[in-house]
Amino acid sequence: AQKVTQAQTEISVVEKEDVTLDCVYETRDTTYYLFWYKQPPSGELVFLIRRNSFDEQNEISGRYSWNFQKSTSSFNFTITASQVVDSAVYFCALSERYNNNDMRFGAGTRLTVKP
Amino acid sequence: ETGVTQTPRHLVMGMTNKKSLKCEQHLGHNAMYWYKQSAKKPLELMFVYSLEERVENNSVPSRFSPECPNSSHLFLHLHTLQPEDSALYLCASSQLTGTSASDTQYFGPGTRLTVL
Repeated sequence: AQKVTQAQTEISVVEKEDVTLDCVYETRDTTYYLFWYKQPPSGELVFLIRRNSFDEQNEISGRYSWNFQKSTSSFNFTITASQVVDSAVYFCALSERYNNNDMRFGAGTRLTVKP
Repeated sequence: ETGVTQTPRHLVMGMTNKKSLKCEQHLGHNAMYWYKQSAKKPLELMFVYSLEERVENNSVPSRFSPECPNSSHLFLHLHTLQPEDSALYLCASSQLTGTSASDTQYFGPGTRLTVL
């Protein structure tokens, strides 16, 4: 079965610092999908990105960037020039091609950005 | 209303009460999900409905009873809950295309449930 590990439980940075959130996954499937979600204090999980296993290109969206490396089974997320509004819990998730109803989430990383 | 909405946002109930959580999606999706998020535990998938039929039930106790009357609405009926059932209950929806592609799930704000 698939598994997602977010080893960083909590991270605290000062505003304008860059921060990287780590995500390591395990799957036996050759086709799979990786996701990042943001959960602010309001509780809603906000979708950030989806990446399929055939697309290893890194992606940048404003201050957010994602580094997908199949060789290390990692899908890390970097926030550049962090802001207080980035404070939230961030979840990495994985679903497999033929089991896409069962999306497995990591335990989450709580990011606190201090002014 | 846009996206996925959930009501109530907060609920406190006794162990003998019966209550229901409601979820509504305004995205035109054909699949809906219930998740449980407890403190210090990963999100747990509870139920999946695809085209209004339950396709997955991850060994959830019978005191949780889902209902999906149409593709836009999903309920979670609660009865004789235990204090350990206190958690954030999240609803999500997605558009299953019938291919092997995994479809992005969009979440509601959740219902914070406290069982006394």
